[in-house]
Amino acid sequence: AQSVSQHNHHVILSEAASLELGCNYSYGGTVNLFWYVQYPGQHLQLLLKYFSGDPLVKGIKGFEAEFIKSKFSFNLRKPSVQWSDTAEYFCAASSGNTPLVFGKGTRLSVIA
Amino acid sequence: DAMVIQNPRYQVTQFGKPVTLSCSQTLNHNVMYWYQQKSSQAPKLLFHYYDKDFNNEADTPDNFQSRRPNTSFCFLDIRSPGLGDAAMYLCATSTYGGGTEAFFGQGTRLTVV
Repeated sequence: AQSVSQHNHHVILSEAASLELGCNYSYGGTVNLFWYVQYPGQHLQLLLKYFSGDPLVKGIKGFEAEFIKSKFSFNLRKPSVQWSDTAEYFCAASSGNTPLVFGKGTRLSVIA
Repeated sequence: DAMVIQNPRYQVTQFGKPVTLSCSQTLNHNVMYWYQQKSSQAPKLLFHYYDKDFNNEADTPDNFQSRRPNTSFCFLDIRSPGLGDAAMYLCATSTYGGGTEAFFGQGTRLTVV
């Protein structure tokens, strides 16, 4: 079955620290990959997405993700986090026209 | 701004009392989804529509029904809510096509008492 795994349940970082959130997927064939963010009290918003082409994808707010096909991974990175990055981060995947399948999410807490 | 709007934001219902959650969109997307999200869990797809074509996930309980009277509106009906149905319900829309992103509403938090 198609699935998405996020390994970190809760990550706590100090401001200016670097961030990497893990995401692995289990899909056959062509896969579309997404990272969504949910700030407290707000709706899910798209951070970035990968369909094809350059495996290094840049998104909003300084986030980027790298698609590594051999590792079935799509990790999210940011070189220097800010307090305002405190949120829940969801990795998601789809294949063709199938609906998104989400990972369980990673809660990021950024402390001063 | 074009968006996905869910009403109400918070809904309290009694055990066993039917409840309807609504979703509207101004994006004119032909695909609409309902997800259920419980605390510390991934959003779980309940069903989705490609235009008027209804697609039910195999493990969605019969207690959950949906209606899509037109492109803009979609409803989630819970016929007899149980305590285990308390969750955040997310509506999303997308265009039909590989790799298109989904746009989400703010969700309705359902409490069952």
